[in-house]
Amino acid sequence: TQLLEQSPQFLSIQEGENLTVYCNSSSVFSSLQWYRQEPGEGPVLLVTVVTGGEVKKLKRLTFQFGDARKDSSLHITAAQPGDTGLYLCAGRGGATNKLIFGTGTLLAVQP
Amino acid sequence: DAGVIQSPRHEVTEMGQEVTLRCKPISGHNSLFWYRQTMMRGLELLIYFNNNVPIDDSGMPEDRFSAKMPNASFSTLKIQPSEPRDSAVYFCASSPLRLSNYGYTFGSGTRLTVV
Repeated sequence: TQLLEQSPQFLSIQEGENLTVYCNSSSVFSSLQWYRQEPGEGPVLLVTVVTGGEVKKLKRLTFQFGDARKDSSLHITAAQPGDTGLYLCAGRGGATNKLIFGTGTLLAVQP
Repeated sequence: DAGVIQSPRHEVTEMGQEVTLRCKPISGHNSLFWYRQTMMRGLELLIYFNNNVPIDDSGMPEDRFSAKMPNASFSTLKIQPSEPRDSAVYFCASSPLRLSNYGYTFGSGTRLTVV
């Protein structure tokens, strides 16, 4: 069974601080995605990483896929209250269209 | 496109009753997924369809749960009989088939409460 563990589970920080969220597995994934979910809504795709070692930037968010394609990280610079939400990583293994979601990191950014 | 449409948004039912959740995927998306989200277990895949055919239902908790996709624009998830432990938010998502860089588009979910 493929499992994706995220850490930390909860994070409460002040506006302007930096943070990193980790997504780890013992399994290899062909691609990995990050989603953000706001209360009362479904998750929304932020980014997809495919190549081991790949780094993608989305404004103040930086995503990295591990060299072995088993882990990923999300770094947010100068967090803002609008970044508040549940961050989910999701991995796709092999020739399947099925995504396995991580355990989630709930981020609260205080103004 | 209006996105993935789920109905109802909220459902409160008594234990033992039948519950039917509905989903309309994005037109042209030929993969459809049903997920359940709880605080304890996170987001769990229940079943998914490719081209209206169920591919993997290993996540369906038990025989009380069933899902159908009679055509490309409609799917249902049925629970009969419902139990309090089925209380959760149920999400439907769709995506194009086998485009690994393409993400899922989720609906807004159905919050089910079984009392």
